This record gives sequence, C-alpha cells and structure tokens, in this order.
Amino acid sequence: NAGVTQTPKFQVLKTGQSMTLQCAQDMNHEYMSWYRQDPGMGLRLIHYSVGAGITDQGEVPNGYNVSRSTTEDFPLRLLSAAPSQTSVYFCASRKSGLYTEAFFGQGTRLTVV
Amino acid sequence: AQKVTQAQTEISVVEKEDVTLDCVYETRDTTYYLFWYKQPPSGELVFLIRRNSFDEQNEISGRYSWNFQKSTSSFNFTITASQVVDSAVYFCALSEASTGGFKTIFGAGTRLFVKA
Repeated sequence: NAGVTQTPKFQVLKTGQSMTLQCAQDMNHEYMSWYRQDPGMGLRLIHYSVGAGITDQGEVPNGYNVSRSTTEDFPLRLLSAAPSQTSVYFCASRKSGLYTEAFFGQGTRLTVV
Repeated sequence: AQKVTQAQTEISVVEKEDVTLDCVYETRDTTYYLFWYKQPPSGELVFLIRRNSFDEQNEISGRYSWNFQKSTSSFNFTITASQVVDSAVYFCALSEASTGGFKTIFGAGTRLFVKA
C-alpha cells in the first residue's frame, strides 16, 4: 500500500515563484492536512480538509492555498514564494473521528532563495 | 486555547539508560485525545499511541510506557533500556472534541540521541 504520497521530495524556488506541492492518499481517508515543520516549532497546521470540497485554515495559512476536488488528492499551492516559507512540509491523512491517528507522507523539503 | 508543550528540546542518553520525554498540554475541553508520534532520521512521522481524556490507565508496550495524569495535564513517555534505534524526534499531540477532531496540534518535539 502506498499510504500518503508527497511530491516532490525536494524543491528550490526563487522568491516570487509559485508552485504546487502534491499529496495523494489511497486509504479513503476523509481528513487531510498540511503541516510545516520548522526547528523549535514542531508541526504547525497550515490548512486542512474534512472531505472533498471542504477546506479550512489552520494556524499558519497565509501565503498558501488548498483545494480538495477528490477524496484522494490535497494539493498545497504557494502563491508567491518567500524565504520565510523555507521549511519541511508534511501532508497527513486520517479517518474521520476525534481519536484517529494521522498517517504522514515523507515530507517535501522546500528552500526559497 | 489548546497548547502542547514539550519543554525538553534535546536529550542525550547512553544505550540501556531509561529516558522520559515530558508532555504538558492545555485544553478547555473535557473530551480530547492525546497522541505520541516518532520521527526517525528518515523523516516520516509514525504513530505510537493515543489516549483519550477519560482513560488515565498507564500503558506499556514492550520498552515503551506512557503515563497520563489529568491532574497535572501531562502525558509523559518513557523508554526503558534505550537503544540506538530509538534515536528520533518525538512529538506529543492533542486533538479536541470542540474542534471536531479536525485540528491536531503538535508540540515542538523532543530530539532523543541514544549513544552506543
């Protein structure tokens, strides 16, 4: 089973460029989320979705857009990359419910120069 | 507001030592879940355990044990007889009923080094 697949694994962008981080899951999970991981700050929630067509903002949504047209896919778009967006990005999926654990992708290491 | 604090940034131990990773949380909810995840050097986070707010029983799984105390809002994780393979970043996380369980909030993580 593939689980949660993120692409690309590494990316370097120039300031002002845009790009989309891809995330796909094959577990039929309703919930999907994007986190960024920065040293000393743990994982911070960017955006999340509770089902196709439904998305909402997390703690640090500025500069990012998401959409969820299918259950499987949850892409994260950087509109105009800034050095402050240099980070490691993780996509996660979960079954619906308070108690369900998250399954994570392998992460995308993004550097904005 | 929900918050998860892992005050220990890094811990270094020698193999076979016991080590406890601390987690303190804040929530106004009476119904919530706490989680621990492990992030090995490969980078992918892996689920270790969950505990709901109504179950204060401690849990042991092999060399791992968890101590949940609502009175001190803590959910600490102990590794007994640590091994080099335990070297990783460990995250504590909180999911509250008031947010529908949609938002899982993570602590900053504790990096554990186990030296041979």
